[in-house]
Amino acid sequence: TQLLEQSPQFLSIQEGENLTVYCNSSSVFSSLQWYRQEPGEGPVLLVTVVTGGEVKKLKRLTFQFGDARKDSSLHITAAQTGDTGLYLCAAAVANKFYFGSGTKLNVKP
Amino acid sequence: DVKVTQSSRYLVKRTGEKVFLECVQDMDHENMFWYRQDPGLGLRLIYFSYDVKMKEKGDIPEGYSVSREKKERFSLILESASTNQTSMYLCASRRDGNYGYTFGSGTRLTVV
Repeated sequence: TQLLEQSPQFLSIQEGENLTVYCNSSSVFSSLQWYRQEPGEGPVLLVTVVTGGEVKKLKRLTFQFGDARKDSSLHITAAQTGDTGLYLCAAAVANKFYFGSGTKLNVKP
Repeated sequence: DVKVTQSSRYLVKRTGEKVFLECVQDMDHENMFWYRQDPGLGLRLIYFSYDVKMKEKGDIPEGYSVSREKKERFSLILESASTNQTSMYLCASRRDGNYGYTFGSGTRLTVV
């Protein structure tokens, strides 16, 4: 069983659509991070959220940390083909970072 | 531009060979990590190091060892490669505190 459960596993949408992906756990985290990974490359950090209820925006991407600091969501507005990739959440428990298995997003032109 | 550099993008090795994967970071980060990434299993932590000459086992250390003789370099060693070690290997570094990882581009290792 994964510490961090991401949903959906796969998402295929048309350019211009909106989408939300989720990262859930039964554990409480001091912080949570989101990464995007393109094929054949390492993950790249998008954002770190620290405070329960925190909302951060990065252009068309909106990240939210749950009030209880157990879950997070990533919303993309008007998706573009360049958003295609694997979206990973990660969180620390006892000085070890754990990653979810990711949401694979495909944005079709 | 800050970087984590992995020595090889692709490697093909034979079963039983000793394999060295090298990783260098130029950010003076205290912490360095080795993960493997497999479809459906996500990223799994093999080993990490929070200081020179220090190492800690991750979740799947069996069949691997590591070396950190200098702050900027963290090596992963497969003592006797096996086919179930075919995977994408990712090195990362991180500063102390609530900071994210900087990953290398990965090494895709195939053991035949």
